[in-house]
Amino acid sequence: EVQLLESGGGLVQPGGSLRLSCAASGFTFSSYAMSWVRQAPGKGLECVSDINNSGGRTYYADSVKGRFTISRDNSKNTLYLQMNSLRAEDTAVYYCARYQNCGGDCPFDYWGQGTLVIVSS
Amino acid sequence: EIVLTQSPGTLSLSPGERATLSCRASQSVSSNYLAWYQHKPGQAPRLLIYGASSRATGIPDRFSGSGSGTDFTLTISRLEPEDFAVYHCQQYGSSPKTFGQGTKVEIK
Repeated sequence: EVQLLESGGGLVQPGGSLRLSCAASGFTFSSYAMSWVRQAPGKGLECVSDINNSGGRTYYADSVKGRFTISRDNSKNTLYLQMNSLRAEDTAVYYCARYQNCGGDCPFDYWGQGTLVIVSS
Repeated sequence: EIVLTQSPGTLSLSPGERATLSCRASQSVSSNYLAWYQHKPGQAPRLLIYGASSRATGIPDRFSGSGSGTDFTLTISRLEPEDFAVYHCQQYGSSPKTFGQGTKVEIK
């Protein structure tokens, strides 16, 4: 059974940092591209950052570019999101999601339950 | 950036009724790469439909997707109690991949 379990969320002050983790199990982690998707209160979902299966290619939304860093450790089956210079508008539930292996542009076929990040003084 | 507009915002229906959800794109969705997800509070979102009309693994056939270009529809033929949730559409053919704001299907 595919499982994605996020952790590391919490309350942080503006300008602070947080590192999210996503522990994957039930599949060959190193074979799949992964993503972080967030949902701010009352808003729709937003793709924040992607990473390919080897970690050699990444994508960032303009809203987080230069502040967030996505990475993965395939030996530990874990995805990370390092978030620096946090702003109030980064407050959201952050989801880890797996890209379907479809050979091209693919949807997300599995998601975690999310971890809440609150940026507030 | 492709903007997806979902309507209605909220759909109030009874179990057994048919639900029709709309997702309209601001420009044509490349290769009809349009997905629908079901999301219940506190749970992981679940992929229902991809490629506009293909059901994901394990999804009951009461869920169907249709449409092309800029207009897409998710239909739930007969609502079951477990179908009351928020539904999101997503286009994944162009960068950035974008989502609609969601349609909540609630019990009438």
